[in-house]
Amino acid sequence: QSALTQPPSASGSPGQSVTIACTGTSSDVGGYNYVSWYQQYPGRAPKLMIYEVTKRPSGVPDRFSGSKSGNTASLTVSGLQAEDEADYFCSSHAGSNNFVVFGGGTRLTVL
Amino acid sequence: QVQLVQSGAEVKKPGASVKVSCKASGYTFTNYGISWVRQAPGQGLEWVGWISTYTGVTNYAQKFQGRLTMTTDTSTSTAFMELRSLRSDDTAVFYCVSGPWVHSFDYWGQGTLVTISS
Repeated sequence: QSALTQPPSASGSPGQSVTIACTGTSSDVGGYNYVSWYQQYPGRAPKLMIYEVTKRPSGVPDRFSGSKSGNTASLTVSGLQAEDEADYFCSSHAGSNNFVVFGGGTRLTVL
Repeated sequence: QVQLVQSGAEVKKPGASVKVSCKASGYTFTNYGISWVRQAPGQGLEWVGWISTYTGVTNYAQKFQGRLTMTTDTSTSTAFMELRSLRSDDTAVFYCVSGPWVHSFDYWGQGTLVTISS
């Protein structure tokens, strides 16, 4: 059982927006601004899409955005494209004893 | 460009140990710590532990305390992860990860599949 809770699936049509939630506690998501989001294609290593809640690494399209409210972080993908179909994982810093905890992942399907 | 190149797949028997290596290139090795993250087949990601490549200080996830050792060799820019007393539920792809952002992983190795089977 993962420390952070994500919906197992999400979907949207091309051009639409979809938001994936990541729910934790005040000991992780709510306590630190160190939420990250990763995209993973089958058989591939994950790729960092968002760090420190809202920041995008160089090369990540601005269609991907992150936010946080209380103990819940969110990833929004705007203008959905076929290539966005993948698994998405959130993570958060959780203190000195558990540097990083992950969500169980959300499979995003582009209809 | 930044690369983290890991050692090849391993098959081990229950109770054995495995040591996976991760050679970094394309950046100054001691600038960023190395974490290890594992992913069981069809499952999510799990943080295993972290090592400072500058000081050697480690921080392991509680569930691996006592059977995990992380080390580095700065002369070759290589990190190592050794996991002992292997069980069937340790079967997973292990990734070494690093990067400039605190508690985020921008650089990923290609992954090393560790299979535990009798």
